[in-house]
Amino acid sequence: ETGVTQSPTHLIKTRGQQVTLRCSSQSGHNTVSWYQQALGQGPQFIFQYYREEENGRGNFPPRFSGLQFPNYSSELNVNALELDDSALYLCASSLERETGNTIYFGEGSWLTVV
Amino acid sequence: EDQVTQSPEALRLQEGESSSLNCSYTVSGLRGLFWYRQDPGKGPEFLFTLYSAGEEKEKERLKATLTKKESFLHITAPKPEDSATYLCAVPQRNNAGNMLTFGGGTRLMVKP
Repeated sequence: ETGVTQSPTHLIKTRGQQVTLRCSSQSGHNTVSWYQQALGQGPQFIFQYYREEENGRGNFPPRFSGLQFPNYSSELNVNALELDDSALYLCASSLERETGNTIYFGEGSWLTVV
Repeated sequence: EDQVTQSPEALRLQEGESSSLNCSYTVSGLRGLFWYRQDPGKGPEFLFTLYSAGEEKEKERLKATLTKKESFLHITAPKPEDSATYLCAVPQRNNAGNMLTFGGGTRLMVKP
């Protein structure tokens, strides 16, 4: 049990719709990031939030956006869903952003776009 | 650009048959290397962090080692419960926080 919780666990959306995924980080962890993991592949970094500000972004289009709240929980929003967005979306948290801090992952949200 | 490559993509072992998984990396400056275990449909579970060449860490039947170009995850006398996907990752830069570049993973199946 990592203390990182994500919701919902599974959802199905139609192409063109919008989705919001939620993450509660481990207590006290102020650094939260999101990853996309397609079947059979390693996770791909989407973006990271540190103390409510985005401070790093991977190679994902602007229709992927996010928020971090004062309690350090976070949301991932995806607009104009495409079939290729079907994947496991993972949230990860750590205490501060110093390299080397242990990074804990949640169980993920499975998104299917039809 | 950092690159992380894992091999083999899949590995089948008999229970008790020891083996090693490889993680090769190309980075501008190593800032650590992480190993994770991922069970089907679950999030990655942290195993080890290695920081410098020559470093080794152990946990039960697993031992991770690091050189300047690659890391190995040695599995000694594996059991069926060791079946999972093993992922390695490197931080993308200093103060990267959770910004990791992952390899594609090695899917390990241990048969009784």
